Amino acid sequence: GENVEQHPSTLSVQEGDSAVIKCTYSDSASNYFPWYKQELGKRPQLIIDIRSNVGEKKDQRIAVTLNKTAKHFSLHITETQPEDSAVYFCAAKIGYNKLIFGAGTRLAVHP
Amino acid sequence: DAGITQSPRYKITETGRQVTLMCHQTWSHSYMFWYRQDLGHGLRLIYYSAAADITDKGEVPDGYVVSRSKTENFPLTLESATRSQTSVYFCASSEGTGRNEKLFFGSGTQLSVL
Repeated sequence: GENVEQHPSTLSVQEGDSAVIKCTYSDSASNYFPWYKQELGKRPQLIIDIRSNVGEKKDQRIAVTLNKTAKHFSLHITETQPEDSAVYFCAAKIGYNKLIFGAGTRLAVHP
Repeated sequence: DAGITQSPRYKITETGRQVTLMCHQTWSHSYMFWYRQDLGHGLRLIYYSAAADITDKGEVPDGYVVSRSKTENFPLTLESATRSQTSVYFCASSEGTGRNEKLFFGSGTQLSVL
């Protein structure tokens, strides 16, 4: 069936280090891949997204890469800061406008 | 974002009772969604709607009913609540396809079924 797998489920880094979260998707027709950040007790919010016609996209310390052949995409956070601590969700668009999310990665950035 | 609101914020109910969670958006977004969030499962899609009077099942629709008689409202009803439906429920909306696929989430409803 349609699914998105996300790894790792938890990630602990020191402040200033880089963090990488990886996702794989099953539907080869998927063409939109957003990433959402959810701080404790808050609603998820979009931080970056990428479309299937692009291999990489950057926004300051955040970047996303997409490998359509392998059906996987990754979130890269450089120079991590304590405020990056949150749960991160990847997602893939299935069909016309249905977003399926991964199980989430809890990122902890230690000062 | 204040444009999408959910109510109630917290709800405690008993097994077998009917519960309705409300969702209202002021942007006239075409698409609306209901997700449930459970530890270890992330956000799972329950139902979604492309427009008024158009709804479709998501990943975990069993035990839930939705309606969308008006563009701005998308209520979710648990017809006979079960303990497995204890969860945090998020409503979301988006303009739709093209360049406007960003989901805007409500603040969530924490539901406990005893």
